[in-house]
Amino acid sequence: KAGVTQTPRYLIKTRGQQVTLSCSPISGHRSVSWYQQTPGQGLQFLFEYFSETQRNKGNFPGRFSGRQFSNSRSEMNVSTLELGDSALYLCASSSDGRTSGRANEQFFGPGTRLTVL
Amino acid sequence: QKEVEQDPGPLSVPEGAIVSLNCTYSNSAFQYFMWYRQYSRKGPELLMYTYSSGNKEDGRFTAQVDKSSKYISLFIRDSQPSDSATYLCAMSDAIKAAGNKLTFGGGTRVLVKP
Repeated sequence: KAGVTQTPRYLIKTRGQQVTLSCSPISGHRSVSWYQQTPGQGLQFLFEYFSETQRNKGNFPGRFSGRQFSNSRSEMNVSTLELGDSALYLCASSSDGRTSGRANEQFFGPGTRLTVL
Repeated sequence: QKEVEQDPGPLSVPEGAIVSLNCTYSNSAFQYFMWYRQYSRKGPELLMYTYSSGNKEDGRFTAQVDKSSKYISLFIRDSQPSDSATYLCAMSDAIKAAGNKLTFGGGTRVLVKP
């Protein structure tokens, strides 16, 4: 089974621009979560989508948004980029325990490294 | 204070030694406990998954959870240079309706020297 894929792997943007990142979950997984990883703050939860609905949200400003499509693929968008948005953005997919019996078992993609200049 | 505390290291051990990692947490609602390994410039890889208190063993890895002390541990036996990575603990209090949200420790960098 193919793992979680994220595109693009690397992005360089300037302040004020917006960016869209894409995530394709493991086949059959319906939950997609997004995390931001920085050296100072570590891994922080952004939001989670399940069956095209946002089910959970972290403490990030409204500039960070996401959506999920009917095929479970997800995108996240960051508008009006700031220097502090430079980070590794990780997507994780989960079957929500339906097949493994393990709730919250999340599998991560390789991440998109965003640099804001 | 963060909900999950983890010593950042680095933790340097000789090849073949036991690596001992731990996390403490403050949220008594956490029920699911995971350990991830992350190599440089890669996404985290799930190593161990436990529910509630107790021990779990998988090959060279042993995970322990002590909910009464709010303390979890990961032990790596017969460590290899390929075990050099950052190890992250993660926790969740998820009730199914609330969805998936993992709270991570800051990670411990481990270096296994040949």
